[in-house]
Amino acid sequence: AQSVTQPDIHITVSEGASLELRCNYSYGATPYLFWYVQSPGQGLQLLLKYFSGDTLVQGIKGFEAEFKRSQSSFNLRKPSVHWSDAAEYFCAVGAITGGGNKLTFGTGTQLKVEL
Amino acid sequence: NAGVTQTPKFQVLKTGQSMTLQCAQDMNHNSMYWYRQDPGMGLRLIYYSASEGTTDKGEVPNGYNVSRLNKREFSLRLESAAPSQTSVYFCASSPAPTSGGGTQYFGPGTRLLVL
Repeated sequence: AQSVTQPDIHITVSEGASLELRCNYSYGATPYLFWYVQSPGQGLQLLLKYFSGDTLVQGIKGFEAEFKRSQSSFNLRKPSVHWSDAAEYFCAVGAITGGGNKLTFGTGTQLKVEL
Repeated sequence: NAGVTQTPKFQVLKTGQSMTLQCAQDMNHNSMYWYRQDPGMGLRLIYYSASEGTTDKGEVPNGYNVSRLNKREFSLRLESAAPSQTSVYFCASSPAPTSGGGTQYFGPGTRLLVL
């Protein structure tokens, strides 16, 4: 069975500082990996995804993530955080089964940005 | 383009009452999903529908039923609500895996309180 671990429940960074959110996954085959962001009271918005190819993927809002197969990791990074990045971030791993894509989510990392 | 819409946005039920959560997508996606989100637990899959006419259980199906009414609509029914079903419910949809890799797009959520 697939699983996702986000070891940091809360992270606080200063505006303008760099950010790295950790994600480790467990999956038997080549995974489909996703990062979603959720602002308070809102649904989930896709930041970026990895299916194959280049292991460094670029997403929206200046985010990027790197797939490292040897470490079973897919960490999310941003060089300079903005106050509007304060939100909850979810990593997910997908398994294509019978035509659908079942996602398993991590428990999320709450990002606070200090001005 | 409305994307994924959910109704109602908020609902209060008494224990034992029934209700149906509605979800519709206008992206011509094949697959649809229902998740629940609880603090500290991320999103957990309740049911999914890989294509019109099919439904399958997810991780936490007990106490729920679903109907894939047509390609656009996927409803979630609570026959006899319990306080443990207090949660935020998200509907999502995804295209076929060969088209977009099965990326899921989420609705804004329904906040359910069971007293």
